[in-house]
Amino acid sequence: EIVMTQSPATLSVSPGERATLSCRASQSVSSNLAWYQQKPGQAPRLLIYGTSTRATGIPGRFSGSGSGTEFTLTISSLQSEDFAVYYCQQYNNWPLTFGGGTKVEIK
Amino acid sequence: QVQLVESGGGVVQPGRSLRLSCAASGFTFSNYAMHWVRQAPGKGLEWVAVVSSDRSTKQYADSVRGRFTISRDNSKNTLYQQMDSLRVEDTAVYFCARGGSTSWNYFEYWGQGILVTVSS
Repeated sequence: EIVMTQSPATLSVSPGERATLSCRASQSVSSNLAWYQQKPGQAPRLLIYGTSTRATGIPGRFSGSGSGTEFTLTISSLQSEDFAVYYCQQYNNWPLTFGGGTKVEIK
Repeated sequence: QVQLVESGGGVVQPGRSLRLSCAASGFTFSNYAMHWVRQAPGKGLEWVAVVSSDRSTKQYADSVRGRFTISRDNSKNTLYQQMDSLRVEDTAVYFCARGGSTSWNYFEYWGQGILVTVSS
């Protein structure tokens, strides 16, 4: 099983600042990496797939990069609605696995 | 617009069974793989199972293999999950999710989730 490790567990950021979230895979997942946002009491929402392709309706301030085992989600200028938990997920191998999440909170 | 609506959750005793359903609309159901993903209270996301668009392929997480069965009825636009021999650790919100447009195996759309509580 591919283990996905996200860091940091919690990120404190002021509105308008840049946030950089990391995701590491225990073995290569090629570019088969997705990112999701989840707010309390809601279902997750797909942000990014294929490492860097934004899903439908996702604002341009969200961007993804990386390959192999190291991946990054960047939120260029945090808006109030961006404070949430973010999960990465690999879909290169069965079983599909998620990282433990990064909570982005207001500083 | 895409809608996924889960039903069938509730409280069940350990060892008993439960069947979840997920009604899909707003897209051609028979063209997409469908998944179940769960989230234990206060925890992260765990993928549970997938069924391909034509029902020919099914995959399961080790934690549920042999106890859960995923299925679909493309004539009814509905996804199912039969959960047998339930354990306390199966307590979670269960989400159905549609596979992606470019790959089966990311989750492009999600239902709102349904709570399953396994408790004596």
